[in-house]
Amino acid sequence: DTEVTQTPKHLVMGMTNKKSLKCEQHMGHRAMYWYKQKAKKPPELMFVYSYEKLSINESVPSRFSPECPNSSLLNLHLHALQPEDSALYLCASSQEPDSNYGYTFGSGTRLTVV
Amino acid sequence: SQQGEEDPQALSIQEGENATMNCSYKTSINNLQWYRQNSGRGLVHLILIRSNEREKHSGRLRVTLDTSKKSSSLLITASRAADTASYFCATVLYSSGGYQKVTFGIGTKLQVIP
Repeated sequence: DTEVTQTPKHLVMGMTNKKSLKCEQHMGHRAMYWYKQKAKKPPELMFVYSYEKLSINESVPSRFSPECPNSSLLNLHLHALQPEDSALYLCASSQEPDSNYGYTFGSGTRLTVV
Repeated sequence: SQQGEEDPQALSIQEGENATMNCSYKTSINNLQWYRQNSGRGLVHLILIRSNEREKHSGRLRVTLDTSKKSSSLLITASRAADTASYFCATVLYSSGGYQKVTFGIGTKLQVIP
């Protein structure tokens, strides 16, 4: 298995909803990442998990809450989002936190906040 | 924050021609990577070049790195319609905490006309 699987592929949520994005990989990668990408913009780093511990939080608002239950799973819990949070949310993984092999990305979750 | 800046931001060529994209960055790096993204999808890792390397090949891809000029180029030879996508360079810097921070440039949108 050489993939990063993200679910759901599309999500529409209201500003008062609570939802979660899920990411899964079975490549034995020890670092996992959440990126946010707005239309026609590059991905922007949100969180980095290294060996299941949060190692980077790029000053992301608390309405985004990451969770790494185990080495294969990464969640992003969403609560009280704003319409400007609508974006493509990408999960990625790498062999090690300081890997020289690049990232493997999932296909993303297209989030629309209404 | 964004580090890499790709040039040009958009490129349109005929099938069979070569496509060259450039990336400039501002700080020191450990390695530089190139990714491809088809519209609204996840990113695909193409090639990684380490800071002590000057040139690397992978199939129809050729990447150069000039650390003195803080620039890199991606050459796609004999382009195909399927190469139509956005291409991002990503600079990688290892932190003292043992994790890598990957920062994406603004991207080049390549269109290959059949």
